[in-house]
Amino acid sequence: KAGVTQTPRYLIKTRGQQVTLSCSPISGHRSVSWYQQTPGQGLQFLFEYFSETQRNKGNFPGRFSGRQFSNSRSEMNVSTLELGDSALYLCASSLTSGGLNTEAFFGQGTRLTVV
Amino acid sequence: GEDVEQSLFLSVREGDSSVINCTYTDSSSTYLYWYKQEPGAGLQLLTYIFSNMDMKQDQRLTVLLNKKDKHLSLRIADTQTGDSAIYFCAGGRSNDYKLSFGAGTTVTVRA
Repeated sequence: KAGVTQTPRYLIKTRGQQVTLSCSPISGHRSVSWYQQTPGQGLQFLFEYFSETQRNKGNFPGRFSGRQFSNSRSEMNVSTLELGDSALYLCASSLTSGGLNTEAFFGQGTRLTVV
Repeated sequence: GEDVEQSLFLSVREGDSSVINCTYTDSSSTYLYWYKQEPGAGLQLLTYIFSNMDMKQDQRLTVLLNKKDKHLSLRIADTQTGDSAIYFCAGGRSNDYKLSFGAGTTVTVRA
């Protein structure tokens, strides 16, 4: 069974640009969450999607957005990139039972560097 | 939301047991997890425990949960060099759809 797949693995962007990251969850998982990991702030929750609906959102500016497609694949977008957006972006897919999430499995992450 | 605290560093001799500790504030957490992160990699789910359990054992891993003290621990028996990594505990309420992570404990295994 394939794990969580994130693409691309590495990305270098310039300040002011925008970027789109992709996440394919484990087959059968309908919940996808995104997290930002930085040395200073640790792991911070960005948002969670289930059946194309955002169910929860973390405390990030509106430049950070996401969406989920009917096949459960998810994308997150960051517009007007800032140097502080440099981070490892991790996607997690979860089993859902009765609409509730259980185990969360993470991908390898996308390392975004903003220069 | 959940606040999760962990000690930052642990050094252990190869073959000894490692114990990584974590405290959390939200008593309504439904699930408590342990993840392992190696350099340049994502998070590997090691094990998790439901909040209505006291203990869970999985091969070399033992998780203990003290709900009264809101304390979670991960014991790794017969620690190996491949166990050197950062270990994160995380908690969440299943209807909150998010996990709150501790800062991570860096475990160094010395020969």
